[in-house]
Amino acid sequence: QQPVQSPQAVILREGEDAVINCSSSKALYSVHWYRQKHGEAPVFLMILLKGGEQKGHEKISASFNEKKQQSSLYLTASQLSYSGTYFCGTPEGNAGGTSYGKLTFGQGTILTVHP
Amino acid sequence: GAVVSQHPSRVICKSGTSVKIECRSLDFQATTMFWYRQFPKQSLMLMATSNEGSKATYEQGVEKDKFLINHASLTLSTLTVTSAHPEDSSFYICSAKPSGRSGGYTFGSGTRLTVV
Repeated sequence: QQPVQSPQAVILREGEDAVINCSSSKALYSVHWYRQKHGEAPVFLMILLKGGEQKGHEKISASFNEKKQQSSLYLTASQLSYSGTYFCGTPEGNAGGTSYGKLTFGQGTILTVHP
Repeated sequence: GAVVSQHPSRVICKSGTSVKIECRSLDFQATTMFWYRQFPKQSLMLMATSNEGSKATYEQGVEKDKFLINHASLTLSTLTVTSAHPEDSSFYICSAKPSGRSGGYTFGSGTRLTVV
């Protein structure tokens, strides 16, 4: 079952913040986040493995609430380079950290950052 | 980091012909390779999972006789689109993850297939 992302699209000016949400109808053990630029392959941003875990990469961070079966991606002080489509991905099975099954991706959130 | 090399990046073929797409893991052994298809402005949809030395597992609705997958070695997986038709035009992407390493999946650069 495909996770559901919201919003579908976000338009920002440089320096503004955004939040992208990902929710699933099935139990989650981990959540992946990827960013895809137009015409390119997705690039891994981060993975969250534990309930309530938060991670960060520069000014991009994420949280994971396994009880609510939700994850959120936070983009702080956005830069032009943040533009792209963001996907959350949920692996099959119980992720042990170093091995997962196939990924099911959300429908994507298009983020556009203007100068 | 893990690198997956995918070729060709773009291909235009005539309707009815076959096209082969290759994905190579350059610095790790990929026992499993995932093949995705992405239509414009849509998400990545998993087509099949290929495992080295065994038959691929196809997702529901994907024709195994049309999309032939071969994973003959630990570093090479191929997808052949047979008797291609215009509706097969899409962006095909492979991905894999080194066993035993933490982190996410690495994707190939993708193949833009246009069937005319």
